[in-house]
Amino acid sequence: GAVVSQHPSWVICKSGTSVKIECRSLDFQATTMFWYRQFPKQSLMLMATSNEGSKATYEQGVEKDKFLINHASLTLSTLTVTSAHPEDSSFYICSAPRGGVEQPQHFGDGTRLSIL
Amino acid sequence: QKEVEQNSGPLSVPEGAIASLNCTYSDRVSQSFFWYRQYSGKSPELIMSIYSNGDKEDGRFTAQLNKASQYVSLLIRDSQPSDSATYLCAVSDDYKLSFGAGTTVTVRA
Repeated sequence: GAVVSQHPSWVICKSGTSVKIECRSLDFQATTMFWYRQFPKQSLMLMATSNEGSKATYEQGVEKDKFLINHASLTLSTLTVTSAHPEDSSFYICSAPRGGVEQPQHFGDGTRLSIL
Repeated sequence: QKEVEQNSGPLSVPEGAIASLNCTYSDRVSQSFFWYRQYSGKSPELIMSIYSNGDKEDGRFTAQLNKASQYVSLLIRDSQPSDSATYLCAVSDDYKLSFGAGTTVTVRA
């Protein structure tokens, strides 16, 4: 069964709207979670590392003020896309390693974001 | 992110045949290697993990790692139509994953 839950699975909203995506680890604690973005026909690109109790670490080229990450508990990380625009439309996927950061990452089901 | 190269696809194989997927990586210090399967419109699903040189078998899947050659491969034996998907090679040395572009496999019935 799923070990990482992601919600919502699909969002369609108007340009300028802020959208929050939740990622939960099920039956295990995850001090570290990861957020990826995948455009059509492309591979996954790491956006940021979410750290419980501290600031997220963003990859080069990812706007911190646009993609807000909050890891408030050991089982929940949220990604908020602020003032979303059509170019932010993508497939957003979170992951968490079960049993330590060196363990394989398990992915949520992803959130397909469409900005009109 | 580190460079991870996969053999270009798409790869079409008949049902029951062996599908062979290759991956090379640029960073010699990489320690962990993974193969993920991704169906269209879905998120990646872990197929295999391998950490040391040699072969690792799990059912119909065999992963091979050669750190000296910076090469990792995946063999799918007795390919089934349900194996039709994009296979992503991922490499990690400090818990962050770098993915290849993926190889799309189609198994012909």
